[in-house]
Parts: sequence; C-alpha cells; structure tokens
Amino acid sequence: GENVEQHPSTLSVQEGDSAVIKCTYSDSASNYFPWYKQELGKRPQLIIDIRSNVGEKKDQRIAVTLNKTAKHFSLHITETQPEDSAVYFCAARQNSGNQFYFGTGTSLTVIP
Amino acid sequence: DVKVTQSSRYLVKRTGEKVFLECVQDMDHENMFWYRQDPGLGLRLIYFSYDVKMKEKGDIPEGYSVSREKKERFSLILESASTNQTSMYLCASLRESGELFFGEGSRLTVL
Repeated sequence: GENVEQHPSTLSVQEGDSAVIKCTYSDSASNYFPWYKQELGKRPQLIIDIRSNVGEKKDQRIAVTLNKTAKHFSLHITETQPEDSAVYFCAARQNSGNQFYFGTGTSLTVIP
Repeated sequence: DVKVTQSSRYLVKRTGEKVFLECVQDMDHENMFWYRQDPGLGLRLIYFSYDVKMKEKGDIPEGYSVSREKKERFSLILESASTNQTSMYLCASLRESGELFFGEGSRLTVL
C-alpha cells in the first residue's frame, strides 16, 4: 500500500515568518493530496488540496506544491499568525479507491 | 450545514467491556470511515464502508468490528476493550468533492 512520510514532526516559527511542511509518498498511483489542520480539541479540517494534474495551488496565505516525479508535496504558510498554531496532516489518495493515507502530523507553533 | 456527529465525546470503560462508538452523518454520503489518532502516529484507518452492510478492513482492524445497517450510521465496536485501545477515535464521511469530513472525535479511556 501507500506510505506517506511527513516532516518535521514539530515546527516553531516567529509570527510573520513562513512555515513549510513536507510530505513524501511511495505509490505513483496516488493522485489526490489534501492537507488537514487540527486545532487543539477540534476535528481535522481540510484547508487545501491538490490533484496530480496541477503543480501548485494557492489560497491566500496557504499554498501547496506537488512534484510528481520526486513523489513529494509541501504546504507553505506565509505571514504566519498565532491562529495558525495547530497540527497539520498531509494525506494521499489513489484514484482507484477511497482510502486515504495520512502522514504522522506536524505540530506548528507560531510564537507571537 | 454538513454534519458528522459522534455520539460520545468522552468515554471511560473497563478492560473486557464491549464498547460501541456511534457515528451519524446527514449528507447521504456512501463512504464512511473510522480512524484512530495517537500522538506521533497520525491517523490510522481501522475500517471503512462504501455502502450499507459493506465494509473493508483498514490498516489496523484487529480488535475492532463495524456495523453499517443504515446509510447514515456507521458504528465501531470493540468486542472486548483493552488498555491499548485507549485513544482518540475519529469518524469521517467522504464528500462528493473528495474531502473527508470528520466528526469531533470520541476520546476513549480503557482502565
């Protein structure tokens, strides 16, 4: 099956700086890559996603990039704010099924 | 508004007890999932269901079973709870857009 690795496991940045979280996947059949944000005590929520026919996608301060050849994708958060503090999960899904494979999560702390 | 409701936010059970975790979605989604969340291990799939009475094992099905008698309800069952099943359990359903929509979670402690 698919194996998704996520780094780093923890990340601290100063408010206003950028944060980058990286994930790799193993199965070239994976073609959908969502990112979820989980605030303390709350459910994971989708913040951005990318499909394999696209190299980059942006939504305000958040962007995701995908390198299909290298099988890695990254989440970029610019101008970080304290409310960005949360655990972020990457995931991969194959077109042939509905099973999602998640990374182990990155705990992001934005220091005011 | 989209809703996935997990019946219990916090449960405390004793070793050997039978535990039911209930999940209900009101979006007429076909696919529903049960995940277990542990620190440092991320979200691990226990079981999923793609239709009424249909189920598939995920990555860690041992010690668990599921029931999907109605489309809107997907139940996770621990036949004989053990301390290593102390965890956060997340139910999710799959939207047509491809997004997994999660419930608020059920934190289970097995003593």
